[in-house]
Amino acid sequence: DTGVSQDPRHKITKRGQNVTFRCDPISEHNRLYWYRQTLGQGPEFLTYFQNEAQLEKSRLLSDRFSAERPKGSFSTLEIQRTEQGDSAMYLCASSPIGDNWDTEAFFGQGTRLTVV
Amino acid sequence: GDSVTQMEGPVTLSEEAFLTINCTYTATGYPSLFWYVQYPGEGLQLLLKATKADDKGSNKGFEATYRKETTSFHLEKGSVQVSDSAVYFCALNTGGFKTIFGAGTRLFVKA
Repeated sequence: DTGVSQDPRHKITKRGQNVTFRCDPISEHNRLYWYRQTLGQGPEFLTYFQNEAQLEKSRLLSDRFSAERPKGSFSTLEIQRTEQGDSAMYLCASSPIGDNWDTEAFFGQGTRLTVV
Repeated sequence: GDSVTQMEGPVTLSEEAFLTINCTYTATGYPSLFWYVQYPGEGLQLLLKATKADDKGSNKGFEATYRKETTSFHLEKGSVQVSDSAVYFCALNTGGFKTIFGAGTRLFVKA
């Protein structure tokens, strides 16, 4: 397994355009997370999936953001009508389901979005 | 709300120096504590963790002890190498889906 894969690695878009990012988690992992990381900060939680169900969304996730995980495997994160403030690194992580929440999360390399 | 505060970087050390990166936390429950590391061009990786008070997590020569009385989880290494140059993130999880990260501390190790 090659780990968590994110595509694209970099995206430059004009303000007002829509963008979509893809995340392929480790194949046997049921849990999938999206985080956003701005320069000089740690990752901030955006949303969480258990299989195909989106169980939690952060208040950081405005109505311009939508995430899906249609078959419980890969996930997409779409941002509509992008704004310059959306410029950030978008990180995807996955972990196996279990009784404990201290199970290691495996992170992808991220998609760096620049809105010009 | 829950939060993590870690020392600001960058931290610059010579090879074989002793490393300490301070981390303190605020949490309403009894969190699990983590250190993640991000090497240049790579994704975040779990370095070590501790799940209850007085536990010591260790990996690759790094260690951190869960101190409930001081709400701290400082990262230490006795002798750093150039290959340890990276950004280090302290993080906590209080038993849910959300892990809360500190802002990160960049470490530069000079040969």
